[in-house]
Amino acid sequence: AQTVTQSQPEMSVQEAETVTLSCTYDTSESDYYLFWYKQPPSRQMILVIRQEAYKQQNATENRFSVNFQKAAKSFSLKISDSQLGDAAMYFCAYRGYTSGTYKYIFGTGTRLKVLA
Amino acid sequence: EAQVTQNPRYLITVTGKKLTVTCSQNMNHEYMSWYRQDPGLGLRQIYYSMNVEVTDKGDVPEGYKVSRKEKRNFPLILESPSPNQTSLYFCASTKTGLANTGELFFGEGSRLTVL
Repeated sequence: AQTVTQSQPEMSVQEAETVTLSCTYDTSESDYYLFWYKQPPSRQMILVIRQEAYKQQNATENRFSVNFQKAAKSFSLKISDSQLGDAAMYFCAYRGYTSGTYKYIFGTGTRLKVLA
Repeated sequence: EAQVTQNPRYLITVTGKKLTVTCSQNMNHEYMSWYRQDPGLGLRQIYYSMNVEVTDKGDVPEGYKVSRKEKRNFPLILESPSPNQTSLYFCASTKTGLANTGELFFGEGSRLTVL
């Protein structure tokens, strides 16, 4: 069975600094998607970044980038020039495709605090 | 505006009183699913549906029912709610097949308290 692990329940970063959130996963599939979602205090789930497993190039979205290590099954999120609005819960997620169905699995989340 | 709409957003109920949380999407998505979010546990899948009339259990289906009679709607039914079903619930959807870009589109969440 697939699993997603976020080992950092909470992280802090100084405003304007860089922080990296860790995520590891386990799967026997070769084709899948990985995501980072942001959940601010409003509870809304917002897609931050998406990575397709067959693409070797790491995805980037403005200040957000990932370090995708397929062999190591690692998918970390780097936030550069951190802003107060980045404070939120961040979830790593996996989407596989097995027996004709999609399987989505989420990690337990990392709460990011941004210090002014 | 493309969206997933859940109702109610907040609900306090008592043990045993049947309730339904509705979910509707206007994006013509085939795939719909329900999740519950609890502190320290992340989001766990309750049920999912790959298309109309096709539903299947997720990781935590006990105490819940779903139906998918129409493509746009996927209600979550708690026949006899219990306090351990107090949680934040999310409905989410996505396209399937070649049009699928992978990510789920989420509703705004429904905070349910069972006393």
